Amino acid sequence: GAVVSQHPSWVICKSGTSVKIECRSLDFQATTMFWYRQFPKQSLMLMATSNEGSKATYEQGVEKDKFLINHASLTLSTLTVTSAHPEDSSFYICSAFGGAEAFFGQGTRLTVV
Amino acid sequence: LAKTTQPISMDSYEGQEVNITCSHNNIATNDYITWYQQFPSQGPRFIIQGYKTKVTNEVASLFIPADRKSSTLSLPRVSLSDTAVYYCLVGSNFGNEKLTFGTGTRLTIIP
Repeated sequence: GAVVSQHPSWVICKSGTSVKIECRSLDFQATTMFWYRQFPKQSLMLMATSNEGSKATYEQGVEKDKFLINHASLTLSTLTVTSAHPEDSSFYICSAFGGAEAFFGQGTRLTVV
Repeated sequence: LAKTTQPISMDSYEGQEVNITCSHNNIATNDYITWYQQFPSQGPRFIIQGYKTKVTNEVASLFIPADRKSSTLSLPRVSLSDTAVYYCLVGSNFGNEKLTFGTGTRLTIIP
């Protein structure tokens, strides 16, 4: 079946630095990918829709200058958390539709210290 | 997108059948109902999807009444490894539609 892969699975970074998370569709092309954030014991919250070849669409309340999204190819979207702070520590998950079904990456645990 | 309502949590003993119901009163004509399972520190995993009546696969069954305003995920003979959060989502089956997650149901299986 279709697979969506995220890298890295976890990352620890210092406050003020930037972190890039990659999301790849391994055996299908995805013109659209989605980025979610999940805090402990909470549901997934949609952050933005990543569109290949165009600007991402951000959900209300998500800072587009802080969470930079690049969807440079049909199989790769990246989320860069810029000038990370401890409150950005969370579990980030991407997804893409392979046909009519949504597939999710394994998630990236970001810890900002 | 139709909003969904599920119980926040459920407990069950090993070996029992577990039924989790989801309400989606505003479901649209072209909407499908999809259930996902999520383990801690993992992305959600597809369980089952249906439009009406009953759908069954190797891991679960999905029951959808005629009015489609609710659906029930049935897990037969649960084991400890079924402890997870289960999400019910409603949306059209055409791909590229952003999925909005509700609270989900935290299922705990007791030995």
